[in-house]
Amino acid sequence: QAQLVESGGGVVQPGTSLRLSCAASGFTFSSYGMHWVRQAPGKGLNWVAVISYDGSKKYYADSVKGRFTISRDNSKNTLYLQMNSLRAEDTAVYYCAKDPLMSAYYYYYMDVWGKGTTVTVSS
Amino acid sequence: EIVMTQSPASLSVSPGERVTLSCRASQSVGTNLAWYQQKPGQAPRLLIYHASTGATGIPARFSGSGSGTEFTLTISSLQSEDFAVYYCQQYNDWPPLTFGGGTKVEIK
Repeated sequence: QAQLVESGGGVVQPGTSLRLSCAASGFTFSSYGMHWVRQAPGKGLNWVAVISYDGSKKYYADSVKGRFTISRDNSKNTLYLQMNSLRAEDTAVYYCAKDPLMSAYYYYYMDVWGKGTTVTVSS
Repeated sequence: EIVMTQSPASLSVSPGERVTLSCRASQSVGTNLAWYQQKPGQAPRLLIYHASTGATGIPARFSGSGSGTEFTLTISSLQSEDFAVYYCQQYNDWPPLTFGGGTKVEIK
């Protein structure tokens, strides 16, 4: 069955960088758009970014635009989130999630989620 | 940006009771709405998409309805494993994809 496993979280200081990874298995990774969604401690879900199945189109939440970069390596079945200029308000559990649409440049909901990786930005 | 508002923020329910959760969009999203369940320490799980279609493996006691700006998630007979936080999410107009603030269903 489809599975997503995030890694790369940790405790970092404000202004520094971190790269998250999400390893996919059990489905044809190269056919689906992929999302990053985050959840601050005790708070709700917030969409962060999405990338098309072929990596050609990327969209971001305003709160991370210009600081975060979503990318993918379809040969490695892996999704990435490069996070630069981190702020305290970026502290959250980061989930990667699969979009259900195949080979599309349109995005819907998230039908498969990873367990998340925790990012803490603190001095 | 479409703002999603869920109500109530929390509710206490006894097992076996019928539960109705609401989600309102700041503008019409058609039927481009999904519902998720999240238990403590776990990732969200897709329950409903296209406002009323049950996701794979979701028990029949979960149902969704609505269109436009008003949506409802109903749990026909609450089971112990259903105590969780429920989120709605619109995908009609993006970016950004937006979630509601969640409704926490607690044991009475």
